[in-house]
Amino acid sequence: SQQGEEDPQALSIQEGENATMNCSYKTSINNLQWYRQNSGRGLVHLILIRSNEREKHSGRLRVTLDTSKKSSSLLITASRAADTASYFCATDVGAQKLVFGQGTRLTINP
Amino acid sequence: EPEVTQTPSHQVTQMGQEVILRCVPISNHLYFYWYRQILGQKVEFLVSFYNNEISEKSEIFDDQFSVERPDGSNFTLKIRSTKLEDSAMYFCASSEALYQETQYFGPGTRLLVL
Repeated sequence: SQQGEEDPQALSIQEGENATMNCSYKTSINNLQWYRQNSGRGLVHLILIRSNEREKHSGRLRVTLDTSKKSSSLLITASRAADTASYFCATDVGAQKLVFGQGTRLTINP
Repeated sequence: EPEVTQTPSHQVTQMGQEVILRCVPISNHLYFYWYRQILGQKVEFLVSFYNNEISEKSEIFDDQFSVERPDGSNFTLKIRSTKLEDSAMYFCASSEALYQETQYFGPGTRLLVL
């Protein structure tokens, strides 16, 4: 697998349900960042979790990081139609660049 | 809230033409980046820039690409002789510091090479 792979590739849930997306990576990281992209639009930063952190919250978002498994998860609670977007994890490997995954396309059905 | 801006939002050009994509990073940020996203594919790093010089570049960033900070606010990406495969969304990003810092992205410029 490549650095920063999200799973699943697509997720469709009902409004109000929770959505969980996973990200796996291969190399050591300084931090991992999650971004949202609405169709054809820019990347909106959601949350950054450092390599020495295990969990972080921001509003309805909860991110976990397991460096032993080289994986992270993004949980969106009480989903809304406006959460429909693609979600990307990006790993900061310390080379002054972010390495992005392929993304998870999340659809929230009303 | 400060944000990264990019102009133009869309650009259509003929193959072989030069294009300049412009970005205004967040004002107190010191590190600047260009990424691109070919339709349906991953966001890919192109180049990072600090203290008026390139700090890191990817294999995509070949001699046809160049970056410049012509004044205190703008950051540009020039593609000298565009190819069909340069068609993509180009994102500018900036960060306040180098490590452990969020990179804030602009809305992107969609480049179409015909």
